[in-house]
Amino acid sequence: NAGVTQTPKFRILKIGQSMTLQCTQDMNHNYMYWYRQDPGMGLKLIYYSVGAGITDKGEVPNGYNVSRSTTEDFPLRLELAAPSQTSVYFCASSSGTGGSAITYEQYFGPGTRLTVT
Amino acid sequence: AQTVTQSQPEMSVQEAETVTLSCTYDTSENNYYLFWYKQPPSRQMILVIRQEAYKQQNATENRFSVNFQKAAKSFSLKISDSQLGDTAMYFCAFTGSASVNFGNEKLTFGTGTRLTIIP
Repeated sequence: NAGVTQTPKFRILKIGQSMTLQCTQDMNHNYMYWYRQDPGMGLKLIYYSVGAGITDKGEVPNGYNVSRSTTEDFPLRLELAAPSQTSVYFCASSSGTGGSAITYEQYFGPGTRLTVT
Repeated sequence: AQTVTQSQPEMSVQEAETVTLSCTYDTSENNYYLFWYKQPPSRQMILVIRQEAYKQQNATENRFSVNFQKAAKSFSLKISDSQLGDTAMYFCAFTGSASVNFGNEKLTFGTGTRLTIIP
């Protein structure tokens, strides 16, 4: 299993440009998440999804959009990039299936470092 | 809303010594789950240890153990026999039963403690 993969690893955007950060997981997890990590800070939740076709806002959703057409993929779209969106972006997944084996562990991708200038 | 506070931005310790990282949290929920994640320079987030609030016994994973004080809302991480590979950012994180029951398992993170192991 590759786990959670993210592309690209690095990207520089100009103000006003748009881009999509890709996230794929091969663990058949129901739940997926997008976080951003600003320098010296913890992770903050942008959006999450509990299954294909179902998404919801997290703590800091402004300026972003998501979709979840398949269990495996959860892309994050940045429209009209702004310097405030300079950050490291992490995608994560968890099984969300409940039961005795439930651990609530989230598995993280390697992150995408985005700079907006 | 839940909050997670890590009051030690940076710590350093000699190799082979023991170090304790602090974490406090605020919640009105009675059942919840607490985690310590490690983020080495590679940026990869790695789960170190988890604690379920309804379990009184402190969790242990090899050299890593926690001191969970539910009444004080405290969840510290102890690293014994520290190794150079323990150098990393450490994040405390929380998910409450409300999140779990509503089916999203969202995590709230603290701001992290940068730990350096000195050779």
